[in-house]
Amino acid sequence: GEDVEQSLFLSVREGDSSVINCTYTDSSSTYLYWYKQEPGAGLQLLTYIFSNMDMKQDQRLTVLLNKKDKHLSLRIADTQTGDSAIYFCAERGAAGNKLTFGGGTRVLVKP
Amino acid sequence: DAGVTQSPTHLIKTRGQQVTLRCSPKSGHDTVSWYQQALGQGPQFIFQYYEEEERQRGNFPDRFSGHQFPNYSSELNVNALLLGDSALYLCASSLTSGSLLFGYEQFFGPGTRLTVL
Repeated sequence: GEDVEQSLFLSVREGDSSVINCTYTDSSSTYLYWYKQEPGAGLQLLTYIFSNMDMKQDQRLTVLLNKKDKHLSLRIADTQTGDSAIYFCAERGAAGNKLTFGGGTRVLVKP
Repeated sequence: DAGVTQSPTHLIKTRGQQVTLRCSPKSGHDTVSWYQQALGQGPQFIFQYYEEEERQRGNFPDRFSGHQFPNYSSELNVNALLLGDSALYLCASSLTSGSLLFGYEQFFGPGTRLTVL
C-alpha cells in the first residue's frame, strides 16, 4: 500500500533556508503536494509537482523530486517567523483520487 | 469566493451518539473528499463524492457514511460514535473535469473538531 514518511521536527533561524524532506512508496504516484497547517486551521496548499518533473520553483518555494529514490523535498528560501507551522507532503496515486499524507514536519523559525 | 466552508466548527458528543458534519465546496468545484486528522497525525482519507455518488473509499468502517447534494455540498455522518472518533474532520473540494491542468488540486476547509466523551 501507499506510505509517506516525514521527519518530525525542523528548527531554523529567520532568514536561513529550510529544507523539509519526504519519502513515499507508491511508484505510481502522479502528483505530489506540499500543504501547510497552522495551529487550529485547515490545510493550505502551497505547491505541487507532477511526477514527470524533477523541479518546480514558485517564489520562495522550490520543490525537488527524485522519482528513482521516491524522495521529495521542499526548500523555503529566506524563512520568516510566519513560516512556523506543520508541513505535510502528500501523494496522489494513479489508481484513484485520494491523497495519502505523511505525518507532518513541525517547522520552528527562531528570530 | 468564500472557499471551502464547514459546519459546525466544534462539536462534543458522547459515545454511541450519531453526528452529521457539513461541507460547502469552493465555488465551481464539483468533488468533495473527507479526511480524518487525529491529533498529531496527518489526515487520513475517508471517502470522496462526485456526481452525488461515493467514488472512492478509504479504510473506514461502515459507521462512516456520506452524501453529496445536487449543489455539490456534502455531509459526513458517523454512527455509534467511539472515543477514537475524536479528531479534526477536514473537507476538501476539487474539480474533476479539467483537473489534469490543475494538478488535481484539493482545497481544504478549516475543519470540524469532534470530541467524543
